[in-house]
Amino acid sequence: SAVISQKPSRDICQRGTSLTIQCQVDSQVTMMFWYRQQPGQSLTLIATANQGSEATYESGFVIDKFPISRPNLTFSTLTVSNMSPEDSSIYLCSVELGTYYGYTFGSGTRLTVV
Amino acid sequence: ELKVEQNPLFLSMQEGKNYTIYCNYSTTSDRLYWYRQDPGKSLESLFVLLSNGAVKQEGRLMASLDTKARLSTLHITAAVHDLSATYFCAVPDRFKLTFGKGTLLTVNP
Repeated sequence: SAVISQKPSRDICQRGTSLTIQCQVDSQVTMMFWYRQQPGQSLTLIATANQGSEATYESGFVIDKFPISRPNLTFSTLTVSNMSPEDSSIYLCSVELGTYYGYTFGSGTRLTVV
Repeated sequence: ELKVEQNPLFLSMQEGKNYTIYCNYSTTSDRLYWYRQDPGKSLESLFVLLSNGAVKQEGRLMASLDTKARLSTLHITAAVHDLSATYFCAVPDRFKLTFGKGTLLTVNP
């Protein structure tokens, strides 16, 4: 099964700054998914990243705040821009491994904005 | 819009007891996933349920899927402390997952 390496694992950032999170998959995948998990909450999909096209954002998430890059079939980045304390969350990337294996998740990035 | 409801949201159990977590979803799907999350950790895949009537077991956990009722269950048998975690069900809507709110399970000695 595919392995996802996600970094950084955690960071503490000042408000107003930006953080870029990286996800590297050890096999080629068509779509990569970015989720946010606010403290004590479930996971919410931010956007779907396809190689060679603009990411597709879910309602409530915009490209200016969460720009995504997908330069190839094994790598993606999510940037959290102009951060505020409300952005403090765990951010996770995910890929589908195939029908029988479901979706796997990166180790997550725990972001604290102060 | 797909909605996924889990209950209970909080479950405190004694070791050795049995209990069931329920996951209902609002639109047709023939697949459903169960995940476990330990505090501060990512999601660990527990079960991939791919068809109506699917039943899978791993240790003290057993999951089933009834696509006609749009219901999945996660049954815990003879709970042990190591099962303490948050459990999520997730349903695919095309290629993206919609998650339930999660069930925080605490197993007490």
